Amino acid sequence: DIQMTQSPSALSASVGDRVTITCRASQSISSYLNWYQQKPGKAPKLLIFAASSLHNGVPDRFSGSGSGTNFTLAISSLQPDDFATYYCQQSYTTREISFGPGTTVDI
Amino acid sequence: EVQLVESGGGLAQPGGSLRLSCAASGFTFSNYEMNWVRQAPGKGLEWLAYISSSGITKYYADSVKGRFTMSRDDAKNSVFLQMDRLRAEDTALYYCARVGAGGSYAQPFDYWGLGTLVTVSS
Repeated sequence: DIQMTQSPSALSASVGDRVTITCRASQSISSYLNWYQQKPGKAPKLLIFAASSLHNGVPDRFSGSGSGTNFTLAISSLQPDDFATYYCQQSYTTREISFGPGTTVDI
Repeated sequence: EVQLVESGGGLAQPGGSLRLSCAASGFTFSNYEMNWVRQAPGKGLEWLAYISSSGITKYYADSVKGRFTMSRDDAKNSVFLQMDRLRAEDTALYYCARVGAGGSYAQPFDYWGLGTLVTVSS
C-alpha cells in the first residue's frame, strides 16, 4: 500500500500570508497526485491535479509542484475563503487510491 | 450543470445492510469512472471503491473488500454501494465522486456529491 503523509497537520496563518503544505508518498508516484480543499460541512473540491495542473475555476494563487515522493501545495496570498482543510491524494494505482491525513489552515 | 446526489443512508444495526445510491445528471454518465469515498465524523477522507465506465472493472479498499459491492446502472445514471456485514466503524458520511478533469492520467475526482450519512449502531 502507498501511504501518504502531510505536514504540518495544522497551521495558523493570516490573510495575505504565503502558505505551503507538504505531501509525501511512501514510494514514487510520479505525478499521480491531486489536491483537494474541504470546508466544514461541505464536500471536498478539486484544486490541483497531476501534481501541478490547476482545475477549472480555481484561483491562480493556488499552485502545486513536485514529483516522485515529495509534493507541495502553495497558496501565494491567503484569502479569507482559503481557511479550510487540504488533502492530497495519490492515484498511482487505481486499485489502491489513498488520501493524506489532511492539513487544516486556520487563523 | 454536473450534479451528484447520494441517498440511502440511515441507521443500521451491526451486521446489517444498507444500499446507497448516487444519481448523476448534467453529463454523459456512461463515459465516466466513478468512486465512493467516506469520511468518519471528525476524520479524514477514505477511498472505498472504484468502478470503470464499462462497469467491468471494480476495485475496493481492504477495509471494505468482501463486504461492500459497487455497481452502476447507466440507464438510470446511477452508481450504487451495497454495504453488508456493517460494523460500527463504517459510521461515516459517504460521498460519490466522478473521475474527470479532462481525462487526466491522474484520475482526479472533479465532482463530488454532498454525501449521505450512515450510522451503524445497536
